[in-house]
Amino acid sequence: NAGVTQTPKFQVLKTGQSMTLQCAQDMNHEYMSWYRQDPGMGLRLIHYSVGAGITDQGEVPNGYNVSRSTTEDFPLRLLSAAPSQTSVYFCASRSPRGFHPTDTQYFGPGTRLTVL
Amino acid sequence: GESVGLHLPTLSVQEGDNSIINCAYSNSASDYFIWYKQESGKGPQFIIDIRSNMDKRQGQRVTVLLNKTVKHLSLQIAATQPGDSAVYFCAENGGSNYKLTFGKGTLLTVNP
Repeated sequence: NAGVTQTPKFQVLKTGQSMTLQCAQDMNHEYMSWYRQDPGMGLRLIHYSVGAGITDQGEVPNGYNVSRSTTEDFPLRLLSAAPSQTSVYFCASRSPRGFHPTDTQYFGPGTRLTVL
Repeated sequence: GESVGLHLPTLSVQEGDNSIINCAYSNSASDYFIWYKQESGKGPQFIIDIRSNMDKRQGQRVTVLLNKTVKHLSLQIAATQPGDSAVYFCAENGGSNYKLTFGKGTLLTVNP
């Protein structure tokens, strides 16, 4: 298993540009989520999905869109990038849907995004 | 422990010593807690978790203690090794099955 993969690893955008951060997992996990991590801060939840066709907002959803057409993929879209969106973005997946002591949330390696 | 602001709390220990990393959580509805380790340039890695019906849980070289009365969580690492050097995050679920709220992290440095 490749686990959770993210592309690209690095990206530089200009203000107003759009782009999609890709996330894929091959573990057949129902639950997937996107976090952003800013310097000196913990991870903050952007959006999450409990299964194909179902998405919901996290703590900091503004400026981001998601969709979940398949179990494997959960792309994050920035429609009009802003400097405030400069951050490291992590995708995560786990199964089953609810938290369980034997369950583990797997994180991808991250995408480092800079918006100029 | 955790703190606001750009500067992470830091803990520096000698190799072989025991480390204790603290975390204060805020939501009394939280019933599930996780500790993650994040090495430089990598995604967070699960270490250990605990449910609120327990006050202690042990793994390999790690122990998590939960004090619900004062909303405090700690991670103890026995015989700390240089490979343990990383940022450690606690996370709470706020009673949710789907959302985690992360603390701001503690930087652990292990000196050989």
